[in-house]
Amino acid sequence: DSGVTQTPKHLITATGQRVTLRCSPRSGDLSVYWYQQSLDQGLQFLIQYYNGEERAKGNILERFSAQQFPDLHSELNLSSLELGDSALYFCASSVGGDPTDEQFFGPGTRLTVL
Amino acid sequence: QKEVEQDPGPLSVPEGAIVSLNCTYSNSAFQYFMWYRQYSRKGPELLMYTYSSGNKEDGRFTAQVDKSSKYISLFIRDSQPSDSATYLCAMSNPLLGGNKLVFGAGTILRVKS
Repeated sequence: DSGVTQTPKHLITATGQRVTLRCSPRSGDLSVYWYQQSLDQGLQFLIQYYNGEERAKGNILERFSAQQFPDLHSELNLSSLELGDSALYFCASSVGGDPTDEQFFGPGTRLTVL
Repeated sequence: QKEVEQDPGPLSVPEGAIVSLNCTYSNSAFQYFMWYRQYSRKGPELLMYTYSSGNKEDGRFTAQVDKSSKYISLFIRDSQPSDSATYLCAMSNPLLGGNKLVFGAGTILRVKS
């Protein structure tokens, strides 16, 4: 158990809908990361927050947005869902926000868009 | 062409074998190199972390980085059935700011008892 929690574990929804994925980092970690894992694209970095501020951005779609709250938990919002958004979404956290900081991954949220 | 190339396998070996897993990359700015292990339906967990070129050993695991060839390896000695998992290489470029990891596709390893 990495100490990173994600809810829900599974989510099934329809195209065009909007969902929110939630992540609680390990105690003391200031950085939160979101990754998408799909069969065709592999594990891809979406976005990083450090102490409430956006620190790094990957190829995150405009339909996706994220934020980190003052209590350091984070939410990833996915809107206008398409079939291709079906994937595993992982949250990770680290103490700091630099490449020397190990990222600990949560168990993931499996999103199925029908 | 992907920034990080990794053979997806699967790689099937008998118990006790030495396993070699590899990744190549194209971006010479990568400075930090990692190997993650991912069991089915679980999140990745960090196995090895290396900065720049060189070797690092931890128990049965050895990580090697050859920046001149843009090639990294993970060796597993005395492989066990419990090592059966997907192994992902990852790397980061410190010049970009933040801690964005770029992952390989992952190699599926099966260790047969």
